[in-house]
Amino acid sequence: AQSVAQPEDQVNVAEGNPLTVKCTYSVSGNPYLFWYVQYPNRGLQFLLKYITGDNLVKGSYGFEAEFNKSQTSFHLKKPSALVSDSALYFCAVRDFGTGGFKTIFGAGTRLFVKA
Amino acid sequence: DAGVIQSPRHEVTEMGQEVTLRCKPISGHDYLFWYRQTMMRGLELLIYFNNNVPIDDSGMPEDRFSAKMPNASFSNLKIQPSEPRDSAVYFCASSSQGQGAEAFFGQGTRLTVV
Repeated sequence: AQSVAQPEDQVNVAEGNPLTVKCTYSVSGNPYLFWYVQYPNRGLQFLLKYITGDNLVKGSYGFEAEFNKSQTSFHLKKPSALVSDSALYFCAVRDFGTGGFKTIFGAGTRLFVKA
Repeated sequence: DAGVIQSPRHEVTEMGQEVTLRCKPISGHDYLFWYRQTMMRGLELLIYFNNNVPIDDSGMPEDRFSAKMPNASFSNLKIQPSEPRDSAVYFCASSSQGQGAEAFFGQGTRLTVV
């Protein structure tokens, strides 16, 4: 069965500093990995995904994530945080080959960027 | 495209009543998902459809929950009878056919059962 772990409930960073939101996953096959962001009273918005190829993927709003197969991780990063990045971030995994389209989400990490 | 459209945005109902949540996916998308979000359990996949056919309903909590997709442009999720523990935000999402395709989420329906 596939699973996703986001070990931090909350991440606090100062504006202008780099940020990292952690994600580890477990699948029996090959993973498709996603990051989504949720603002208050809104649905989830897609940020970026890893399907295959380059381990470093770039997405919306200056975010990027690095796929690390040996560590089964897919951490979300941004070189310089903005106050407007404050939101709830979800990592998700789809098990290619065994899980069909079943996409499992992590518990979410709340990012707070202080001015 | 207007995106995934869910209605109503908010629903307050009394315990024991039937609740119907509605979803219109993005035109051309082949997959439709229903998720439930709560503080305690996070985001749970309830059921998903491919080309209007239910593929995996293992996340549906119990028989009180049912979901249908009568055509490519509409799905509903029903709870009958509703209970206070069903209170949550219910999201509908859709995606295209590709295995690596991302999902597009609606704004959700906040359900409160009193």
